[in-house]
Amino acid sequence: GDSVTQMEGPVTLSEEAFLTINCTYTATGYPSLFWYVQYPGEGLQLLLKATKADDKGSNKGFEATYRKETTSFHLEKGSVQVSDSAVYFCALSSQGAQKLVFGQGTRLTINP
Amino acid sequence: DAGITQSPRHKVTETGTPVTLRCHQTENHRYMYWYRQDPGHGLRLIHYSYGVKDTDKGEVSDGYSVSRSKTEDFLLTLESATSSQTSVYFCAISEPRDTRLYFGPGTRLTVT
Repeated sequence: GDSVTQMEGPVTLSEEAFLTINCTYTATGYPSLFWYVQYPGEGLQLLLKATKADDKGSNKGFEATYRKETTSFHLEKGSVQVSDSAVYFCALSSQGAQKLVFGQGTRLTINP
Repeated sequence: DAGITQSPRHKVTETGTPVTLRCHQTENHRYMYWYRQDPGHGLRLIHYSYGVKDTDKGEVSDGYSVSRSKTEDFLLTLESATSSQTSVYFCAISEPRDTRLYFGPGTRLTVT
């Protein structure tokens, strides 16, 4: 079945550091890929998405590129801020499916 | 704001008791979902609904039932709560052919 694997957390960085959170997936066909973010005490919010190979999703300085050859969708940000501290979830939706499969989440803490 | 509320927001209950969680939406979205969030597992789909009285199972449906008698309400019932059902429960909504999910604020359930 479909699955998503994220890098183990927690991840702790200093402010202005470069961020990468790895995400790889297993799915048949051409899934859509997503990154969601969960701030403390809140529900998940969509951060960015990509629907086909080589698409780049971007939002709030975060980027992720849909790489079909490596089945990956790594999240990157060039300079993180304390306000980026949250849990980040990678997810996929298989072609034609109306459901999301989530990775286990990566907790990110940014220190000033 | 997708107009999703969940009630209660927090609940402590004893093993063996029935529990019902409510998800209410105000914007007539067709699809509604119940996920549970547990450390190390990310979010896992319990049940989902694709219309009034139309529901289907997710990957962790054992021990849970759902009902949707009105477009705006999606109820999740634990017939006889167990400690393994201690979790944070999230409701989400989406529209057909758009797999972006919008999440409610969550319900923290503790089964003692």
